[in-house]
Amino acid sequence: ETGVTQTPRHLVMGMTNKKSLKCEQHLGHNAMYWYKQSAKKPLELMFVYSLEERVENNSVPSRFSPECPNSSHLFLHLHTLQPEDSALYLCASSQDLSTDEETQYFGPGTRLLVL
Amino acid sequence: RKEVEQDPGPFNVPEGATVAFNCTYSNSASQSFFWYRQDCRKEPKLLMSVYSSGNEDGRFTAQLNRASQYISLLIRDSKLSDSATYLCVARGSQGNLIFGKGTKLSVKP
Repeated sequence: ETGVTQTPRHLVMGMTNKKSLKCEQHLGHNAMYWYKQSAKKPLELMFVYSLEERVENNSVPSRFSPECPNSSHLFLHLHTLQPEDSALYLCASSQDLSTDEETQYFGPGTRLLVL
Repeated sequence: RKEVEQDPGPFNVPEGATVAFNCTYSNSASQSFFWYRQDCRKEPKLLMSVYSSGNEDGRFTAQLNRASQYISLLIRDSKLSDSATYLCVARGSQGNLIFGKGTKLSVKP
């Protein structure tokens, strides 16, 4: 186990629903990330938080809303999603941002299906 | 041009074979590189970092050629348990990780 947990592991939602994905890291890291992995596409970075402050937002639609209440927890709030948002959503953490040797540790992901 | 490009495979090899994956990156300012492994329906896990001088970890050897912007991963004596998708990763100029689509490896008995 990597020390990064995500819930739920699977989620099916309709386009009008509101749901939240939760990530928790037990590694004492300062940086946390949300990625999206769609079929036959590389992992896409969505959001980056460092010490609970958002440091990057890669032009993600506003129907995805992140929240980082403390350095151990990260949420992704979802509302009025589209079927093309169906994907594996991965949370990751690293000790700090942006040093050459910094590696990221991933959670198991939430597999989301939007109907 | 894609930022990190890999041959998607699949590579189908017998047990015991040696297999090599290649990867190219477009940002010459990238300073660090990694190989991650992702099993089917699981999260990516760090396999090894890639250093300028090349590095080896057991049956795995990673090499970096900065002049050609090229990274490789060599797996010797393939095991059934090596079957997975191997993700080539470069660190972008803003410190973010940029992933390739991955190369799928299937090791057969």
